[in-house]
Amino acid sequence: EDQVTQSPEALRLQEGESSSLNCSYTVSGLRGLFWYRQDPGKGPEFLFTLYSAGEEKEKERLKATLTKKESFLHITAPKPEDSATYLCAVQGFGRNSGYALNFGKGTSLLVTP
Amino acid sequence: DSGVTQTPKHLITATGQRVTLRCSPRSGDLSVYWYQQSLDQGLQFLIQYYNGEERAKGNILERFSAQQFPDLHSELNLSSLELGDSALYFCASSVEENTIYFGEGSWLTVV
Repeated sequence: EDQVTQSPEALRLQEGESSSLNCSYTVSGLRGLFWYRQDPGKGPEFLFTLYSAGEEKEKERLKATLTKKESFLHITAPKPEDSATYLCAVQGFGRNSGYALNFGKGTSLLVTP
Repeated sequence: DSGVTQTPKHLITATGQRVTLRCSPRSGDLSVYWYQQSLDQGLQFLIQYYNGEERAKGNILERFSAQQFPDLHSELNLSSLELGDSALYFCASSVEENTIYFGEGSWLTVV
């Protein structure tokens, strides 16, 4: 069974203080690894999809990387508006998985001025 | 705006009742997914439909059912509701295995 573990559960940063969020996964065959941002009471907002080890993607202050066992979301010089819960999910090639995503429980990020 | 539309946004109902949540996917998306999000469980996959056919099943209770209609909209039916069914229910859609886009969710409160 696919498993996704995110750490830390919560992270508090000062504005400008860079850090990384971790997503460890086990999956029978990785079709893709997804990162989403979710604001309270809102739907997850797509950030990145990574498909193979070594792949990297960037968007503004965010950079996602992928290895065979984990993914990192690096946040450079964060701003208060980056405060949100960041969700990691895997999409596998399992026979009965369709294209459904299996999510971790997320990292709640708070960036203070 | 992801393009995925869910109604209603909020509903409150009593235990034992039945409700229907509706979802309109993004234009052109053939796959529809339903997820449940509660504080302690995170986002849990319930079920996926692809072009009207059930494609994959997750942790969906027997009291819950879903369908996708010829116009590709989908409905999630929740019956014999219990207090523990209170959660945020998300619909998402995608084109094949590409990026899955989520709607804003339907808040269900069972009292």
